[in-house]
Amino acid sequence: GENVEQHPSTLSVQEGDSAVIKCTYSDSASNYFPWYKQELGKRPQLIIDIRSNVGEKKDQRIAVTLNKTAKHFSLHITETQPEDSAVYFCAASNAGNMLTFGGGTRLMVKP
Amino acid sequence: DADVTQTPRNRITKTGKRIMLECSQTKGHDRMYWYRQDPGLGLRLIYYSFDVKDINKGEISDGYSVSRQAQAKFSLSLESAIPNQTALYFCATSDFGGGPSGTDTQYFGPGTRLTVL
Repeated sequence: GENVEQHPSTLSVQEGDSAVIKCTYSDSASNYFPWYKQELGKRPQLIIDIRSNVGEKKDQRIAVTLNKTAKHFSLHITETQPEDSAVYFCAASNAGNMLTFGGGTRLMVKP
Repeated sequence: DADVTQTPRNRITKTGKRIMLECSQTKGHDRMYWYRQDPGLGLRLIYYSFDVKDINKGEISDGYSVSRQAQAKFSLSLESAIPNQTALYFCATSDFGGGPSGTDTQYFGPGTRLTVL
């Protein structure tokens, strides 16, 4: 089955700096890679996703990149703000199968 | 996401009691999931169901059981609750990602905070 590893487990940045979270996956057939944000005490919510036919996707201050050859994908947050502080989860799936989640990254943005 | 609801939102119970957590969805998805989240940790899959007649164990199913009463309803039971089952429980739903317009994106309910004394 699929195995997704996520690094780092905690990340502290200064407001305005960039943050990068990285994930690797094991199943070369995986073709869908979403990212979820979970604020304290709330549910995980989808913030961006990418499919394997695309190398990069952007949505305002967040972007995701995918390297299929190396089987890794990353979340990039630019100009971080205190409200970006949360736990972020990456995930991967092979179409039709269920998502496998990474272990999560706690991002802290210091004002 | 108001399309996925969980009841109760908070529950305090005692060791040995039977507890049922309920999940309902109006998204029309066939697939439903139950996860457990401990403080500071990730999501661990308890059970999942790909349709009404399909039930599968996840990585931590011991001590839990489920019932899929209808496409829209998926319940999680703790037959005899113990303190180390104290956690935040999430239900989630997804479409079938293998179709031409489908996606494996999971949509989570608001969570149930369960405390076992």
